[in-house]
Amino acid sequence: AQSVSQHNHHVILSEAASLELGCNYSYGGTVNLFWYVQYPGQHLQLLLKYFSGDPLVKGIKGFEAEFIKSKFSFNLRKPSVQWSDTAEYFCAVSGGYNKLIFGAGTRLAVHP
Amino acid sequence: DTAVSQTPKYLVTQMGNDKSIKCEQNLGHDTMYWYKQDSKKFLKIMFSYNNKELIINETVPNRFSPKSPDKAHLNLHINSLELGDSAVYFCASSQRGANTGELFFGEGSRLTVL
Repeated sequence: AQSVSQHNHHVILSEAASLELGCNYSYGGTVNLFWYVQYPGQHLQLLLKYFSGDPLVKGIKGFEAEFIKSKFSFNLRKPSVQWSDTAEYFCAVSGGYNKLIFGAGTRLAVHP
Repeated sequence: DTAVSQTPKYLVTQMGNDKSIKCEQNLGHDTMYWYKQDSKKFLKIMFSYNNKELIINETVPNRFSPKSPDKAHLNLHINSLELGDSAVYFCASSQRGANTGELFFGEGSRLTVL
């Protein structure tokens, strides 16, 4: 069965610090990978996605993620976080048609 | 205009009651979903409909019954509510399958069962 694990449940950073959130998945076939973000009190929205091609994917708001096939990983990065990046971040992997499997989420708190 | 809208946003009820949550999307998408987010923020798919047909049912108890009167609507009815049903329920839609397309989520419906 497909699964997604996010190693950090809660991350606290100061503004301007660099961010890296880990995501590993288990799935034997071709995968599509996603990062979603949920700002406080809001709905989930897509940050970025990877289907194929360049393994370094750029998303909105300065986020990027790197797909490393050999490590089954899709880590999210941002060079310099802002207070407004405070949110819950979810990694997700496609698990067959119409099925998106989410990780448990990482809560990021950025202090001014 | 809200792309995916859910009502109600908050629902507090007693154990044993029956309740419904409604979802509508105005994006013209073919596929709609219900996800459950528990207290630990873990998101789990419950159902998926494509053009009004059920295509995913993730071993959800029979007390949960989705209904899709048309492809723009997917409602969730829950019978005999239990304490463990307390969660935030998210509706979502996508133009193509979830593995190829972006999911658009509603703002969630927080259900509290007392």
